[in-house]
Amino acid sequence: DGGITQSPKYLFRKEGQNVTLSCEQNLNHDAMYWYRQDPGQGLRLIYYSQIVNDFQKGDIAEGYSVSREKKESFPLTVTSAQKNPTAFYLCASSHGADTQYFGPGTRLTVL
Amino acid sequence: DAKTTQPPSMDCAEGRAANLPCNHSTISGNEYVYWYRQIHSQGPQYIIHGLKNNETNEMASLIITEDRKSSTLILPHATLRDTAVYYCIVTSSGSARQLTFGSGTQLTVLP
Repeated sequence: DGGITQSPKYLFRKEGQNVTLSCEQNLNHDAMYWYRQDPGQGLRLIYYSQIVNDFQKGDIAEGYSVSREKKESFPLTVTSAQKNPTAFYLCASSHGADTQYFGPGTRLTVL
Repeated sequence: DAKTTQPPSMDCAEGRAANLPCNHSTISGNEYVYWYRQIHSQGPQYIIHGLKNNETNEMASLIITEDRKSSTLILPHATLRDTAVYYCIVTSSGSARQLTFGSGTQLTVLP
């Protein structure tokens, strides 16, 4: 089946630790995105990548880092510099400027 | 991207049509109207999009007014599984767009 997978579904980390969230897609999409969602709110863009080895900051990139070494993968690292990392993280992909399709999300809780 | 306005909540009886309005009075000529929905704790699901003409797919119909300043998403026969937050998004064409999610409309389908 084609789609976007995110793992794990739930993630718990201690304050001050870096954590990496996985996002993989087998849709052959060239563009990939990371969004953050806080309770009761809409999604906010963290980073996006249009092609391999290239990515751009979104509205709330501070405290996050990404890499795009393969077309299929776009991992997001939440660093200790992110002041309030507890949130629901969503990955999406698209073929160029076409419709974005979302993964199931990872809920990160920092203890 | 143009801003959208949606009612915060709506109810609909199961089996009846659900009509979800969206106002986008500042939309420009090259901006599309997209609809997504999000069931609690899941990733957003793409529903439909359009530019000028009305659109229909297996999930819903999208009616865009002639002046393009508003639109309506129609779920023809709502079921309990359609209970979700529905987001109306306006976004321009071009490479790798950022989707701006507002607060959306909480649709509750009642038995």
